[in-house]
Amino acid sequence: AQSVTQLGSHVSVSEGALVLLRCNYSSSVPPYLFWYVQYPNQGLQLLLKYTSAATLVKGINGFEAEFKKSETSFHLTKPSAHMSDAAEYFCAVSDTGGFKTIFGAGTRLFVKA
Amino acid sequence: EAGVTQFPSHSVIEKGQTVTLRCDPISGHDNLYWYRRVMGKEIKFLLHFVKESKQDESGMPNNRFLAERTGGTYSTLKVQPAELEDSGVYFCASSRRQLNTDTQYFGPGTRLTVL
Repeated sequence: AQSVTQLGSHVSVSEGALVLLRCNYSSSVPPYLFWYVQYPNQGLQLLLKYTSAATLVKGINGFEAEFKKSETSFHLTKPSAHMSDAAEYFCAVSDTGGFKTIFGAGTRLFVKA
Repeated sequence: EAGVTQFPSHSVIEKGQTVTLRCDPISGHDNLYWYRRVMGKEIKFLLHFVKESKQDESGMPNNRFLAERTGGTYSTLKVQPAELEDSGVYFCASSRRQLNTDTQYFGPGTRLTVL
């Protein structure tokens, strides 16, 4: 069965610094992977998704993630953090046996001025 | 295009009462999903509708939860009777096609508090 592990429930960075949010997945077949973001009082918004095309996936708001099969990782990065990036981020995998999405526990990103 | 909407945004009820949550998917989306996030835990899948049919309800916690999608449009999720452990945020999502790569669009969630 698929699963997702996000390393670090809280990450704090300074404005302008690199953002790195870690995600490892477990899947017996090639996975479809997603990163979602939830801003305060809003729903989940899709940042980017990997569906077996290019391993480096670019998303919205300057975020990107790289699929590394050898490391079973799909870490999310952004070169320069902005105050508006403060939110909770969820890594997720699509269940290959159906259509549900399996989420990690989430990482809350804090951005310091 | 309007997004997924959910009503109410917050609900506070007493243990043993009944609560009904509503989800309106994006127009034209045949697939509708319910998820739940209990405080501090992962967002967990509850069930999936394709039009008015339940495609997968493997995540429903127990028979106190009843989901319906009459006419294949909006959906309701009823909890009867509510228990303390039902507290959490209930998310609804919809997607157009029945592909597991298709983007699921999420609503803002309903925060349910059972006292």
